[in-house]
Amino acid sequence: AAGVIQSPRHLIKEKRETATLKCYPIPRHDTVYWYQQGPGQDPQFLISFYEKMQSDKGSIPDRFSAQQFSDYHSELNMSSLELGDSALYFCASSARRDNEQFFGPGTRLTVL
Amino acid sequence: GEDVEQSLFLSVREGDSSVINCTYTDSSSTYLYWYKQEPGAGLQLLTYIFSNMDMKQDQRLTVLLNKKDKHLSLRIADTQTGDSAIYFCAETEHQAGTALIFGKGTTLSVSS
Repeated sequence: AAGVIQSPRHLIKEKRETATLKCYPIPRHDTVYWYQQGPGQDPQFLISFYEKMQSDKGSIPDRFSAQQFSDYHSELNMSSLELGDSALYFCASSARRDNEQFFGPGTRLTVL
Repeated sequence: GEDVEQSLFLSVREGDSSVINCTYTDSSSTYLYWYKQEPGAGLQLLTYIFSNMDMKQDQRLTVLLNKKDKHLSLRIADTQTGDSAIYFCAETEHQAGTALIFGKGTTLSVSS
């Protein structure tokens, strides 16, 4: 079965640079979620979208922004990167009528 | 605010049953989930339970919910070495579109 696709899988950036992470949800899923997982930590919710509109917002820094496009894929844009942004970034998707969130493999961001 | 707590470690022998416990504070939690994360991998949805249910069984997995005590448990029968991973309990108040709140995760170690 098709799963959530995230790209890139690994990303290395310098401090103060920008990064863009992409997420392609499971076909026919209309809701996407972004989570950040620091080393040894539990995933922390950042933001979610349904039908291109922001659905829920968590602890997303002002330096980050995200959007969902008409084909339901989503991008997380991160600017002025800091060392503390180094983490695994997960995208999850679900169908609006369902309550199951399926996670992608994650993007490992390293900020040097 | 919402809080989900789990014990950090559990060590069992292959073939034994494992029981991973979780408590939550939010009375309005509607759905409760168990996710599995292997090292360097994404989060795999194992099972979930609606708050109006007491028990759910799926092959080797049994979920028990005590709403009065806000206590959730995951029992893995005939634990195998391949079950070694971090298990996260998560909850959400509403149906699809809203954030999952995760516990810190329980590291399950299975010895042969």
